Amino acid sequence: DAGVIQSPRHEVTEMGQEVTLRCKPISGHNSLFWYRQTMMRGLELLIYFNNNVPIDDSGMPEDRFSAKMPNASFSTLKIQPSEPRDSAVYFCASSPLATSGGAQQYFGPGTRLTVT
Amino acid sequence: AQTVTQSQPEMSVQEAETVTLSCTYDTSESDYYLFWYKQPPSRQMILVIRQEAYKQQNATENRFSVNFQKAAKSFSLKISDSQLGDAAMYFCAYSTASISNFGNEKLTFGTGTRLTIIP
Repeated sequence: DAGVIQSPRHEVTEMGQEVTLRCKPISGHNSLFWYRQTMMRGLELLIYFNNNVPIDDSGMPEDRFSAKMPNASFSTLKIQPSEPRDSAVYFCASSPLATSGGAQQYFGPGTRLTVT
Repeated sequence: AQTVTQSQPEMSVQEAETVTLSCTYDTSESDYYLFWYKQPPSRQMILVIRQEAYKQQNATENRFSVNFQKAAKSFSLKISDSQLGDAAMYFCAYSTASISNFGNEKLTFGTGTRLTIIP
């Protein structure tokens, strides 16, 4: 199993540009999560999907951020326009179905985003 | 809302010794899950151990064990026989039990404890 795949691993862009981060979850997993990690705010959940449906997007900072999951094997997180304060490591994680919750989340290697 | 607190930003331990990392949480729920994740310098998040709140028995995984005190809302991680490869950031995390048949719920993380292993 290849694990959760994220691309790109590193992204450097200029303020105002559109940024798209990509994630391929582990095959067969039903839940997908997007997290952001910064020194100031630690690890925070942005949005998560169950069976491709967004369940909780309360962590999305503002309208510049959007996420989609068009099918079970692909998700994107888009920032438009990007700002320097968006610089962070963005993690994607997936987990198998567990109707009572508590399933292990498997994390991707993260995308380090730098906005200059 | 649930909160997770890790009061030790940094810890260090001599190789082969035992170290305990602290974690407390606040919740009004009776059914939930607690986790410890490890993030080495490679930044890959790796699950170390998982505890179900309704289970009295403390979870163990080889050299890693927890002390789960539900009434005190405390969930500490003990690492025995510390090894150089244990050096990492350790995050405590909380997840509510699923409140619907949609499945999994999100993780709420603490701020982390950086563990250094002294050779």
